[in-house]
Amino acid sequence: DQQVKQNSPSLSVQEGRISILNCDYTNSMFDYFLWYKKYPAEGPTFLISISSIKDKNEDGRFTVFLNKSAKHLSLHIVPSQPGDSAVYFCAASARSFGNEKLTFGTGTRLTIIP
Amino acid sequence: NAGVTQTPKFRVLKTGQSMTLLCAQDMNHEYMYWYRQDPGMGLRLIHYSVGEGTTAKGEVPDGYNVSRLKKQNFLLGLESAAPSQTSVYFCATTSGDWGTDTQYFGPGTRLTVL
Repeated sequence: DQQVKQNSPSLSVQEGRISILNCDYTNSMFDYFLWYKKYPAEGPTFLISISSIKDKNEDGRFTVFLNKSAKHLSLHIVPSQPGDSAVYFCAASARSFGNEKLTFGTGTRLTIIP
Repeated sequence: NAGVTQTPKFRVLKTGQSMTLLCAQDMNHEYMYWYRQDPGMGLRLIHYSVGEGTTAKGEVPDGYNVSRLKKQNFLLGLESAAPSQTSVYFCATTSGDWGTDTQYFGPGTRLTVL
């Protein structure tokens, strides 16, 4: 039972354009969502997060949008740069219910084409 | 300030052998986690700890044991390795403070079981 799903295993985007990565979840108790970025042979690094009381959070070139009714979130990267080529993981937790665990999606490999 | 370190970085075992993976953190975090990453599966939680002397099962705990005798260290043990345990193992930590679930990851241990 995959509670966090990233249905696109890979995505290619031209440099300078917008990259949009999508994530769906099924557990209604999830109230905090995070995106992680992972380069080969390294551990994942935190990118941006959003609480369920918001529908948007921005940090520089990165914006996360949350649609609670659709149980869907997306990560927008504008403009995309070659250094953004990595695997991106969506993760979710149920903090309001005392759940200190994260549930991760399967990841999307983003390739930025120069 | 090394953050989260993992020892060893690589290991090859034969079926039935045992080994211990060490995670060490210098951030004084309460919560520590062990994940495994397999192709197409994302990050799956094996065991975690919410403080020194405590451990709890995650999503895929079978075949693994853990110990948290010191706050800064979290050990993952394989008593009798199986080829199905071939994976990349990541340790992560978080402060556990309300308001953030950001987890900080180590660089990973690549384990091959023949």
